[in-house]
Amino acid sequence: NAGVTQTPKFQVLKTGQSMTLQCAQDMNHEYMSWYRQDPGMGLRLIHYSVGAGITDQGEVPNGYNVSRSTTEDFPLRLLSAAPSQTSVYFCASRRGQGGAEAFFGQGTRLTVV
Amino acid sequence: AQKVTQAQTEISVVEKEDVTLDCVYETRDTTYYLFWYKQPPSGELVFLIRRNSFDEQNEISGRYSWNFQKSTSSFNFTITASQVVDSAVYFCALSEGGVLTGGGNKLTFGTGTQLKVEL
Repeated sequence: NAGVTQTPKFQVLKTGQSMTLQCAQDMNHEYMSWYRQDPGMGLRLIHYSVGAGITDQGEVPNGYNVSRSTTEDFPLRLLSAAPSQTSVYFCASRRGQGGAEAFFGQGTRLTVV
Repeated sequence: AQKVTQAQTEISVVEKEDVTLDCVYETRDTTYYLFWYKQPPSGELVFLIRRNSFDEQNEISGRYSWNFQKSTSSFNFTITASQVVDSAVYFCALSEGGVLTGGGNKLTFGTGTQLKVEL
């Protein structure tokens, strides 16, 4: 049982490049989210999904796109990378809302130069 | 809107000392859930505890204990007899329970407290 799998673990991009961070979970969870972690800022919600075909914006959505075509996968797309997007990105899944705990992937460390 | 404040950015203690990590939350919902997560130096996020707004009983798990006080909107975490392995960043988080408002869809984190336990 792999839980939440994120790829890649490390990535360096040039300003203006685009890329997709992959996230997959095998727990049949309906709720999935993307967070970014920056020093002194904690974990901030980028986008989230409450089921296949349903996504919504979080606290810091600008510059990112998501889609949810299957229950298992929730990719995060950077449309045109900027140095301000240098961060550690975490994908999380939850069985439900409210009191359901979040299970996190190992994180992707992204550097934009 | 839901908000979590962890005012302590960094705490340093000597091994075997007790340490309390503070967490203050804001929500307008009467049903909500509070969480603590640990992030060790390896970087993964580890779930520690969940508490719902209707259960104000304190909880103890080994050297860990949690004090939930609705009157002060706080959910503090105490480590007794700290050990070097407790060195990590600790996050407090909040999820509202409101189905209609959608607040339960989001898990809002505080900025974290870096705990350093030295020999």
